[in-house]
Amino acid sequence: EAGVVQSPRYKIIEKKQPVAFWCNPISGHNTLYWYLQNLGQGPELLIRYENEEAVDDSQLPKDRFSAERLKGVDSTLKIQPAELGDSAVYLCASSSGNQETQYFGPGTRLLVL
Amino acid sequence: QQQVKQSPQSLIVQKGGISIINCAYENTAFDYFPWYQQFPGKGPALLIAIRPDVSEKKEGRFTISFNKSAKQFSLHIMDSQPGDSATYFCAADAGNNRKLIWGLGTSLAVNP
Repeated sequence: EAGVVQSPRYKIIEKKQPVAFWCNPISGHNTLYWYLQNLGQGPELLIRYENEEAVDDSQLPKDRFSAERLKGVDSTLKIQPAELGDSAVYLCASSSGNQETQYFGPGTRLLVL
Repeated sequence: QQQVKQSPQSLIVQKGGISIINCAYENTAFDYFPWYQQFPGKGPALLIAIRPDVSEKKEGRFTISFNKSAKQFSLHIMDSQPGDSATYFCAADAGNNRKLIWGLGTSLAVNP
């Protein structure tokens, strides 16, 4: 079974530029999460989807961050414009039904110069 | 305000020794306590999890001890191996809320 797929794995951009990350969850997983992880810290939830509905986006900085999961499968997280402080690893995770286990992708490491 | 406090921040153990990582929580509504293991360049992966109805859960060399009255839980790694060198995160969730509250992580190094 394929795991959570994320791309790109690494991204270097200049500040004020836009950037987008893509995630394909494990097949059949209806719940999808986007996390931000700073160096030396635990993941911080940005947004959670149940199918195509964003059910928890309270921690998403909506002035510059946006996300979509149009067909309830893969998802895109966008930052526009990026700031220096956005440099971090962006993790995607998915889970199935009532299962609490979250399966993480390898993450996208973003560096904003 | 950090709701799950994890210690130590880093830990060095000799091969064959016991690694112990502790977490404390404040929210008594938490009822699911997983431990995740993360290797460099990888996402976290579930290692073992416990619910408050048991005081201990063991899977191979990994054991969770849970103290409900003290609101504390800990991860014990027996016979630690160099391959266990990773960052370990405790977390907590309430009522299948699916909003894990994470500790800050413990960087474990097991010396050969």
